[in-house]
Amino acid sequence: GAVVSQHPSRVICKSGTSVKIECRSLDFQATTMFWYRQFPKQSLMLMATSNEGSKATYEQGVEKDKFLINHASLTLSTLTVTSAHPEDSSFYICSARADVTLHFGNGTRLTVT
Amino acid sequence: GDSVTQMEGPVTLSEEAFLTINCTYTATGYPSLFWYVQYPGEGLQLLLKATKADDKGSNKGFEATYRKETTSFHLEKGSVQVSDSAVYFCALSSQGGKLIFGQGTELSVKP
Repeated sequence: GAVVSQHPSRVICKSGTSVKIECRSLDFQATTMFWYRQFPKQSLMLMATSNEGSKATYEQGVEKDKFLINHASLTLSTLTVTSAHPEDSSFYICSARADVTLHFGNGTRLTVT
Repeated sequence: GDSVTQMEGPVTLSEEAFLTINCTYTATGYPSLFWYVQYPGEGLQLLLKATKADDKGSNKGFEATYRKETTSFHLEKGSVQVSDSAVYFCALSSQGGKLIFGQGTELSVKP
């Protein structure tokens, strides 16, 4: 089946630094990937839609200059959290579409100290 | 806009009990419907799906039927196990391929 790999699974960084999270579709090509954020005990909030070869589409209220998304190939999208602050600490999950189904990575737990 | 509403959790059951997690939706058009499961500290795994009215999705003993007349997609399992303890998300596919999620229902199965 379709596999989405996300890396790293956990990252701890200092306030003010930037962190890059990678999302790869391992056995299929994905022109579109999605980035979600999940707070403890809550549902997933769609942050942005990543489109291969073009700019990402951000949901209302998501700062595009803070959450930089690059989708340089059909199998890789990256999310960079710039100038991270403690309030950016969260669980970030990417997903990619294969047919009508979205497949999810295992998520990245970001902790900003 | 499109939305999904799930029954609130947590749901606590004894092993081998019958499980129902209610899910209703509001959508324009005819979305596909999904149930995803999230184990602690992990991402989401697709549990089952249905792409049109009256379709029944099934996997690992779980079932859900796409009911257009009641706009529902309730998740059921006849006999739960401790290993089924997780958070379950109902979702629908919205315009542009986005998934709209319900708030999630935590299931805890006790031995």
